[in-house]
Amino acid sequence: AQSVTQLGSHVSVSEGALVLLRCNYSSSVPPYLFWYVQYPNQGLQLLLKYTTGATLVKGINGFEAEFKKSETSFHLTKPSAHMSDAAEYFCAVSERSGYALNFGKGTSLLVTP
Amino acid sequence: NAGVTQTPKFQVLKTGQSMTLQCAQDMNHEYMSWYRQDPGMGLRLIHYSVGAGITDQGEVPNGYNVSRSTTEDFPLRLLSAAPSQTSVYFCASSRSSGVGGNEQFFGPGTRLTVL
Repeated sequence: AQSVTQLGSHVSVSEGALVLLRCNYSSSVPPYLFWYVQYPNQGLQLLLKYTTGATLVKGINGFEAEFKKSETSFHLTKPSAHMSDAAEYFCAVSERSGYALNFGKGTSLLVTP
Repeated sequence: NAGVTQTPKFQVLKTGQSMTLQCAQDMNHEYMSWYRQDPGMGLRLIHYSVGAGITDQGEVPNGYNVSRSTTEDFPLRLLSAAPSQTSVYFCASSRSSGVGGNEQFFGPGTRLTVL
């Protein structure tokens, strides 16, 4: 069975600083990996996804993630944080395309002026 | 396209009452799922469906029923509401085939309080 661990339930960065949100997965087969963002009182929006092929995945709003099979990681980064990036971020894994997801517990990102 | 729609947006129930959360999608997606979101727990899968007439249990199915009579609709029924079912419920849908991994599209959620 697949699972996801997100390190750090809360991350605080200054505006303009690097954003790094960590995600490690376990899967018995090559995984499909996703990052979703949730703004307060809203639903989930897809940031980016890894399926196969290129290990560096670019998403919306300047975010990107690198798939490292040897480390079973899929960390999310953004070079320069904006105030509007403050939200809850979820990493998720699936073993089949389109199938239901296993989510991490989420990381709340706070951006300070 | 409206995408994934959920009704109601908010609901308050008393312990023991039953109700149905509605979910519909207009993207002709084969897969549909229900999740609940609780603080510090992420999203947990309740039930899912891979097509009309086919459903299966997820991680936390107790106290919930589902059916899938059409491709578009996937209602979630609470049989006898309990305070532990106070949560935010999300419905999602996705394609089953095609190039690349297919992401799930989420509805706006239903916030349920059980007193």
